Amino acid sequence: QVQLVQSGAEVKKPGASVKLSCKASGYTFATYTMDWVRQAPGQRLEWMGWIDAGNANTKYSQKFQDRVTITRDTSANTVYMELSSLTSEDTAVYYCARAPIVATILDFWGQGTLVTVSS
Amino acid sequence: EIVLTQSPGTLSLSPGERATLSCRASESVSSNYLAWYQQKPGQAPRLLIYGASRRATGIPDRLSGIGSGTDFTLTISRLEPEDFAVYYCQQYSSSPYTFGQGTKLEIK
Repeated sequence: QVQLVQSGAEVKKPGASVKLSCKASGYTFATYTMDWVRQAPGQRLEWMGWIDAGNANTKYSQKFQDRVTITRDTSANTVYMELSSLTSEDTAVYYCARAPIVATILDFWGQGTLVTVSS
Repeated sequence: EIVLTQSPGTLSLSPGERATLSCRASESVSSNYLAWYQQKPGQAPRLLIYGASRRATGIPDRLSGIGSGTDFTLTISRLEPEDFAVYYCQQYSSSPYTFGQGTKLEIK
């Protein structure tokens, strides 16, 4: 069965960076994209970007273009998302979610990782 | 970017009743690239519908989606206790792929 297991909660200071991981199992890793979506307290879900796990092509939301980097390690079936220059507004639960390459239909989700940014 | 507006914000119904949730887009969603997700407290969202009307694997047929252009609807024909949750629509026709603000379906 498809499983996406994310790394644990993080607490960061303003200005720092955070790098989250998402380990995939139960399907052919390279034939899907992995997307990152975040949910700040009381806010709607917000799509951040994706990586094609096969060829490592990426696509980012313009909002995060300058601060986010999504990478993958095919030997470990793991995707990483690094977000830099953190502010309190980045406090959120971050989800990885699998999608077919042809369309961002988020059919399986990780359990989420809480990132808290506080001085 | 395409802004999705869901209504109502909260829907209070009883088990067995019919629920109708609306999602309106600020501009046309091409190819009906519209999905619906369910989220329960403390859980990740779950895909219900994609392509405006196609049920995801394992989703019962009492959930149905319809719509095109800028107006989309999710209907749950007979509410079960497990249906009470928050529902989000998402468009994936135009980057950034945006979500609605959610409709909370609560037990009356």
